[in-house]
Amino acid sequence: EDKVVQSPLSLVVHEGDTVTLNCSYEVTNFRSLLWYKQEKKAPTFLFMLTSSGIEKKSGRLSSILDKKELFSILNITATQTGDSAVYLCARNRDDKIIFGKGTRLHILP
Amino acid sequence: NAGVTQTPKFRILKIGQSMTLQCTQDMNHNYMYWYRQDPGMGLKLIYYSVGAGITDKGEVPNGYNVSRSTTEDFPLRLELAAPSQTSVYFCASSYSETSGKTQYFGPGTRLLVL
Repeated sequence: EDKVVQSPLSLVVHEGDTVTLNCSYEVTNFRSLLWYKQEKKAPTFLFMLTSSGIEKKSGRLSSILDKKELFSILNITATQTGDSAVYLCARNRDDKIIFGKGTRLHILP
Repeated sequence: NAGVTQTPKFRILKIGQSMTLQCTQDMNHNYMYWYRQDPGMGLKLIYYSVGAGITDKGEVPNGYNVSRSTTEDFPLRLELAAPSQTSVYFCASSYSETSGKTQYFGPGTRLLVL
């Protein structure tokens, strides 16, 4: 079955901690893997990954894709309360973009 | 440049009623998508379109219809509303690229079917 599985489903950490969110998928041929942050309303785009082993960074956030092992991780260092959100992973294959259920991250002050 | 706009923001329907959720984008994107998001869950793809005149089913198309007569508009139609269709509906659009695409989302339409 063609699924995107994210783990953990929820995570609570203290401000300043580093977190790693996981995303695994089941198809080998796809165009890209996408990460989004969703707070109260619509998702906002974070990263698009197309090549294995190349890390993408944006401030305290970074992400990498492993096409051989079929997973991606999203790292957030020195977390802040503003990082509290649901983080969604999605894969784009043949123009169909399928999302995982998301990881709900809560940062305690 | 308004991006992706959706109307209405919120609607209550009775079982069996029909309605159309509107989605418009002004970025000249070829690709447009409709998703639903149930409480505490991820997004599920309902329908998508790769260009005007072309539509395709996603993961959960039953109970919905779409049309794409122009590049800008991608309305989603519910013909016989059911309580299971209570959800938040997001429309999104993106450019066409060979190696993937970045999606832009609308603000969402919250639908309650009673």
